[in-house]
Amino acid sequence: QVHLVQSGAEVKKPGASVKVSCKASGYTFISYYMHWVRQAPGQGLEWMGIINPSGGSTTYAQKFQGRVTMTRDTSTSTVYMELSSLRSEDTAVYYCARDGSSSGVGAFDIWGQGTMVTVSS
Amino acid sequence: EIVMTQSPATLSVSPGERATLSCRASQSISRNLAWYQQKPGQAPRLLIYGASTRATGIPARFSGSGSGTEFTLTISSLQSEDFAVYYCQQYSNWPPVYTFGQGTKLEIK
Repeated sequence: QVHLVQSGAEVKKPGASVKVSCKASGYTFISYYMHWVRQAPGQGLEWMGIINPSGGSTTYAQKFQGRVTMTRDTSTSTVYMELSSLRSEDTAVYYCARDGSSSGVGAFDIWGQGTMVTVSS
Repeated sequence: EIVMTQSPATLSVSPGERATLSCRASQSISRNLAWYQQKPGQAPRLLIYGASTRATGIPARFSGSGSGTEFTLTISSLQSEDFAVYYCQQYSNWPPVYTFGQGTKLEIK
C-alpha cells in the first residue's frame, strides 16, 4: 500500500528554519514527482514546489523562491522541505503529495498526513 | 498566473439531494483539472482528475465535467460523509505552477 509519512509537529521562533521530512513507501520512489503544499489555519491550499526524486531537480513557487529548499534521499525514499527565515505567516500545516503522473504534471494522488509548523516568539 | 475561482463559497444541501460545485479558470487549462475533498483535521483526498476521471475508490455519485475554463463537480445524492470542503486545482503549466481554488464548503441544510 502506498504511504507518505511525515515528521512531527514543530515550533520555531521567527527567523529560524524548519525542515520537514516525508518518507514514501509502497511504490518506486524515483518514478513519481513529489509536491509540497501548505495550509494556514482556516485557509485554503497553497502549492510550494515540486521535486523530481530521480534527479533531484526542483521548481519552486515564486512566492517561496529564496526561502525554500527541497531535497531527497533515494536511499531512504525520503523527501525534505526546508523553509528558512520563518515568520508568523508561515504557521501552517505542511503536506507532501505525490504527483500521480510520471511526467510531473498531474493531480496529487497520495498525500502525507501533514506536519503542523508553528512560528511564534 | 492562472487564477482558479470556485463558487459558491458555501453550499447548503440536504442529504439525498444533488450538489453542484463550480470552478472557473482565468485562462484555458484544457482538461487539466482535479477536484479534492478535505474533511476537518485530514489531508485532502483526490476525487477527480483530468476533469472527469474518478480516482481509485471514489464512489460513482461523484462526477466531474467541463473543459477549457469552466468545470463542475456534481455529487448526485449526498451522503453524510460528503459534507466537507472541496477544492479544484489546475495542473496545466510547464514549468509547473499549480494553483488551487479557494474552496467550496458543502454543509448540511
